[in-house]
Amino acid sequence: AQSVTQPDIHITVSEGASLELRCNYSYGATPYLFWYVQSPGQGLQLLLKYFSGDTLVQGIKGFEAEFKRSQSSFNLRKPSVHWSDAAEYFCAVGAFDQAGTALIFGKGTTLSVSS
Amino acid sequence: DADVTQTPRNRITKTGKRIMLECSQTKGHDRMYWYRQDPGLGLRLIYYSFDVKDINKGEISDGYSVSRQAQAKFSLSLESAIPNQTALYFCATSVGWGQGDTQYFGPGTRLTVL
Repeated sequence: AQSVTQPDIHITVSEGASLELRCNYSYGATPYLFWYVQSPGQGLQLLLKYFSGDTLVQGIKGFEAEFKRSQSSFNLRKPSVHWSDAAEYFCAVGAFDQAGTALIFGKGTTLSVSS
Repeated sequence: DADVTQTPRNRITKTGKRIMLECSQTKGHDRMYWYRQDPGLGLRLIYYSFDVKDINKGEISDGYSVSRQAQAKFSLSLESAIPNQTALYFCATSVGWGQGDTQYFGPGTRLTVL
């Protein structure tokens, strides 16, 4: 069955430091992969997505993610974190070969930013 | 104006009450979804609809029902609310797989069942 694992429940990063949030997926075919961010009290905002082509995907707010098929991973990165990046981040996979299946989300990683 | 709106934004109700959460969208998308979010569990799919005549159960549909009144409107009902339905509920829309099926989320409804 399709699944998404975000191994880190909570990460704290110093402002200005680099960030990497991990995401591993289980899926038999080529996945459609997404990263969403949820700021406190807000809905989910799409950061970036991967469907095909270049495995390094650029998103909004200076984020990028790299799809690595051999590792079944889609890790999110940012070279320099800002205090406003503190939020919860969700990785999701879209199961294309199951008609009617919506996104499968990981359980999320909470990012705290220290000064 | 927001593309996906949810009403109410917050609701407190009592066990056994019937409650309806509403979702409207101006994106012109055919597909609509209802999710619930619980701390530490991420988002789980309750129901989804690929067009007005199509309703499908998701992972956790027990205790919920939905109505797709129009392309732009998708309501979630709790027929007899119970405390473990206390959660944050999100509506989402998408255009379809031809566009990669990116989902766009509403702001959420925080529901508390006492």
